[in-house]
Amino acid sequence: QVHLQESGPGLVKPSETLSLTCTVSGGSISSYYWSWIRQPPGKGLEWIGYIYYSGSTNYKPSLKSRVTISVDTSKNQFSLKLSSVTAADTAVYYCARLLLRLGELSSPLFDYWGQGTLVTVSS
Amino acid sequence: QSVLTQPPSVSAAPGQKVTISCSGSSSNIGNNYVSWYQQLPGTAPKLLIYENNKRPSGIPDRFSGSKSGTSATLGITGLQTGDEADYYCGTWDSSLSVCVFGTGTKVTVL
Repeated sequence: QVHLQESGPGLVKPSETLSLTCTVSGGSISSYYWSWIRQPPGKGLEWIGYIYYSGSTNYKPSLKSRVTISVDTSKNQFSLKLSSVTAADTAVYYCARLLLRLGELSSPLFDYWGQGTLVTVSS
Repeated sequence: QSVLTQPPSVSAAPGQKVTISCSGSSSNIGNNYVSWYQQLPGTAPKLLIYENNKRPSGIPDRFSGSKSGTSATLGITGLQTGDEADYYCGTWDSSLSVCVFGTGTKVTVL
């Protein structure tokens, strides 16, 4: 059974960089896409971006200028960095495995999720 | 703001049926597969339906999915108190080349 666990600071100051790591256990990070998704308190899910195990990435356009997702296959981990944060970035951040087939009928689905970690942006 | 629209809430008595709609466009639902997620209070979302109408192992057949044109629907029959949760649809948007989620629907069992 694949297990994902987010880790990182729960409090980040405005204008600083939010950094989170997702550790994957029970399976290899290779051959899959891995994604970050966030959920502001009381609101819906927002996809942030994904990374393929080889390192190729895709980000939500409105966040692209501030987001970097990276992967470390030797540690079975992938990470999120979000720069210049504001209070609007306060959310529960989830990491998830993404099964993505792109084509005439594309099929994205998130089959394994971490438990989520709350990151608050405040001075 | 999400490109997929869901009703904010639906409700029904135990044992009854509810349906949740997810409305999009030709660039997302109309030309891609839809998945559905259940988020119980205080927990991470869980995959419920994929490729419009397929259920992962362990998901009871009380949950069903369908798609027609640019809309998708999740159905829950034999409603149970344990089904009280938020439900989200998701798909790929071919114009934006991104994953997108619906606005979410809260199911209440009366």
